[in-house]
Amino acid sequence: SYELTQPLSVSVALGQTARITCGGNNIGSKDVHWYQQKPGQAPVLVIYRDNNRPSGIPERVSGSNSGNTATLIISRAQDGDEADYYCQVWDSNTYVFGPGTKVTVL
Amino acid sequence: EVQLVESGGDWVQPGGSLRLSCAASGFTFSYYSMNWVRQAPGKGLEWLSYISSSGATIYNADSVKGRFTISRDNAKNSLYLQMNSLTAEDTAVYYCARDSDSSCYCEFDYWGQGTLVTVSS
Repeated sequence: SYELTQPLSVSVALGQTARITCGGNNIGSKDVHWYQQKPGQAPVLVIYRDNNRPSGIPERVSGSNSGNTATLIISRAQDGDEADYYCQVWDSNTYVFGPGTKVTVL
Repeated sequence: EVQLVESGGDWVQPGGSLRLSCAASGFTFSYYSMNWVRQAPGKGLEWLSYISSSGATIYNADSVKGRFTISRDNAKNSLYLQMNSLTAEDTAVYYCARDSDSSCYCEFDYWGQGTLVTVSS
């Protein structure tokens, strides 16, 4: 089965840039989606199909995907960006989520 | 406004069964594929089941094959998850989530708030 890897945690200084990676075998050939989840809340889609933002998601949130790594980039990090972030792909008739990354804004 | 509201979560003994429901509103339910996703306490997201807009195509995660059954009633704008042979490892918040586009296996653009299932003796 297809597996995704993510760092357990990422810390970013207020106003700086956070990069959250999602690793998978030839993930660049797949569409990658990213979700933000805050404590006690349902996940929210923040990037879909590698680098597209749903309405309401600020431009400082972006994504890229190439080779074996997809990346979620949060520029000018704010306190409100503290959350868990999950990547997701479709492979062999299953949806696969990454293990999640906890982002802390310092 | 798109809304997904799960219900049916409860405490159940190991070996028991439970049926979850997800009531959809604010969109044409019969046009969209749907999914169930769960999250055990303190853990990550785990996709469980997919059902196409018509109900003709179903996919399940290996972890629930043979125990959980996804279904839908388009006339009632409702999604269901029948869960049998429950174990403590099934304790989780269960979410229903909408596929953004039924022409592809794509992102989940709307999620419900979840319903808690606790399996314990």
